[in-house]
Amino acid sequence: SYELTQPPSVSVSPGQTASITCSGDKLGDKYACWYQQKPGQSPVLVIYQDSKRPSGIPERFSGSNSGNTATLTISGTQAMDEADYYCQAWDSSLYVFGTGTKVTVL
Amino acid sequence: QVQLQESGPGLVKPSGTLSLTCAVSGGSISSSNWWSWVRQPPGKGLEWIGEIYHSGSTNYNPSLKSRVTISVDKSKNQFSLKLSSVTAADTAVYYCARDTVAAAANWFDPWGQGTLVTVSS
Repeated sequence: SYELTQPPSVSVSPGQTASITCSGDKLGDKYACWYQQKPGQSPVLVIYQDSKRPSGIPERFSGSNSGNTATLTISGTQAMDEADYYCQAWDSSLYVFGTGTKVTVL
Repeated sequence: QVQLQESGPGLVKPSGTLSLTCAVSGGSISSSNWWSWVRQPPGKGLEWIGEIYHSGSTNYNPSLKSRVTISVDKSKNQFSLKLSSVTAADTAVYYCARDTVAAAANWFDPWGQGTLVTVSS
């Protein structure tokens, strides 16, 4: 079955850039999206179709996808961005989520 | 804007059947979207369970397919999940979500608030 692997944790200082990777076989041939989940809350879509931002999502969130890796980048990270982030792709009629990354803003 | 709300028992006995409903408001369940269930065990990641289209067409996660039934009630603008033969491993927060498919891409947005279902005697 298809798997998406993320680093368990990423730490970033306020105002700096956080990059979260999502690795999967030929992931660049598929579309990836990203969700943010804060404690006790439902996931929120932050990036879809590799690099598009839904309405209301700050411009500091951006995405890319090439080769075997999709990347979510948070530029000028703020304390409110501290959360778990999950990538997601579709493969063979199955929706697959990444393992999740906890972003800590130190 | 579309909103989703899950409802159902928070406690299910082992070997029983988990039953949840997702009410859709602010939009029609007969729109050009699929509707999904996703679950998240406490402290763990997200797992897609399955989806349904308003026509009744379904797709299920192969790992759960033998135990899952998803149905739709267009008259009530809602869809439902049934998971049979549950064990403690099925304890999770269950979310419903609208899934959009466009140009071979797909994504879940919005999500319901989620409901915790505990499997215990």
